[in-house]
Amino acid sequence: DTGVSQDPRHKITKRGQNVTFRCDPISEHNRLYWYRQTLGQGPEFLTYFQNEAQLEKSRLLSDRFSAERPKGSFSTLEIQRTEQGDSAMYLCASSLVAGGYGYTFGSGTRLTVV
Amino acid sequence: AQKVTQAQTEISVVEKEDVTLDCVYETRDTTYYLFWYKQPPSGELVFLIRRNSFDEQNEISGRYSWNFQKSTSSFNFTITASQVVDSAVYFCALSDSGAGSYQLTFGKGTKLSVIP
Repeated sequence: DTGVSQDPRHKITKRGQNVTFRCDPISEHNRLYWYRQTLGQGPEFLTYFQNEAQLEKSRLLSDRFSAERPKGSFSTLEIQRTEQGDSAMYLCASSLVAGGYGYTFGSGTRLTVV
Repeated sequence: AQKVTQAQTEISVVEKEDVTLDCVYETRDTTYYLFWYKQPPSGELVFLIRRNSFDEQNEISGRYSWNFQKSTSSFNFTITASQVVDSAVYFCALSDSGAGSYQLTFGKGTKLSVIP
């Protein structure tokens, strides 16, 4: 399978719990992006990695959020002390080079905080 | 700052009608890329097209066509002879060098319903 994989597809958690999502990009892609999509909105940029380096974070990424990409392969996005406002679809995308040369998105992880 | 505006929130058409989805963008970069994505109810984002800012040629792919006009900062998407399977949310997106991230800035999407 040469697509972007995200796990889990769905996550229901209680407010205050920690959650972690995983993204496996296309193996030769060196750029990896995380986006968040709330109901009725377009995806919004959270952060991106070039290889293992996290190069940019959006203001949406509060200090309760942390992302890693060890060894430049898969990435994890952790949310600590979840809040109801964190309920959203979390999308991962990867690309081979910078610019417009195609971003491949995963199917997303839908988080529901109850 | 980058911005993408999709003024049409929802559109309904009867099958076989043509439909145009509008997209207007803002960027200060001279080099940028424009995209259209389709998001069916299952949730994944399906890539439809990418254009760079130096290529204003219109493109046709089967029933889909795109009209890129730099003079009006628009990148509109037309579906000819719509089908029920075209029902989805369609997003226009912009990528520019910004801080080097080439992150995508999305519009809010247009929900297209094709009625049989």
